[in-house]
Amino acid sequence: NAGVTQTPKFQVLKTGQSMTLQCAQDMNHEYMSWYRQDPGMGLRLIHYSVGAGITDQGEVPNGYNVSRSTTEDFPLRLLSAAPSQTSVYFCASSYSPSTRANTEAFFGQGTRLTVV
Amino acid sequence: AQSVSQHNHHVILSEAASLELGCNYSYGGTVNLFWYVQYPGQHLQLLLKYFSGDPLVKGIKGFEAEFIKSKFSFNLRKPSVQWSDTAEYFCAVIPFNDYKLSFGAGTTVTVRA
Repeated sequence: NAGVTQTPKFQVLKTGQSMTLQCAQDMNHEYMSWYRQDPGMGLRLIHYSVGAGITDQGEVPNGYNVSRSTTEDFPLRLLSAAPSQTSVYFCASSYSPSTRANTEAFFGQGTRLTVV
Repeated sequence: AQSVSQHNHHVILSEAASLELGCNYSYGGTVNLFWYVQYPGQHLQLLLKYFSGDPLVKGIKGFEAEFIKSKFSFNLRKPSVQWSDTAEYFCAVIPFNDYKLSFGAGTTVTVRA
């Protein structure tokens, strides 16, 4: 059971470039989310999805797009990278809280992104 | 929107000392509460969680936390820390029947041998 898999682990981009961070989970979780982690700020929610075809914005969505075409995959797209997007990105998945199932979030290994 | 406050930014301890990390949240309704740990260079792992029932919850590696509803607090404790407890600790809250998990800013714990 792989859990939550993120790729790549490290990435360097030039300002203005675009890229996609991949996230896949094999636990049949309904809820998936993307966070960015910056020193002294904890984890901030970028976008989330409560099921295939349903996405919504989190706390810091600007500059990022997401889609959820399958239950398993939730890619995060940086449209035009900026130095302010230098961060560590984590994908997470969990069951839907509304079903009273376990709401523990499982995290991927993270992607360390540097924008120069 | 709910917020989560962690009182200490950086805590430095000697081995065998006791640890207590504070966490307060601002949401007034029913919540689920979590403590996550992030060891250097690794992803977040669940230490413990509170959904309902006994407000004193025990987690992995000797950690425990107490939910005090009247104080909106969920403080993490460990009676005797080890060098391997050096990590960053995050408190997180999700309102019942919501989807969004909110994190505190984190507390870096350094345990000196």
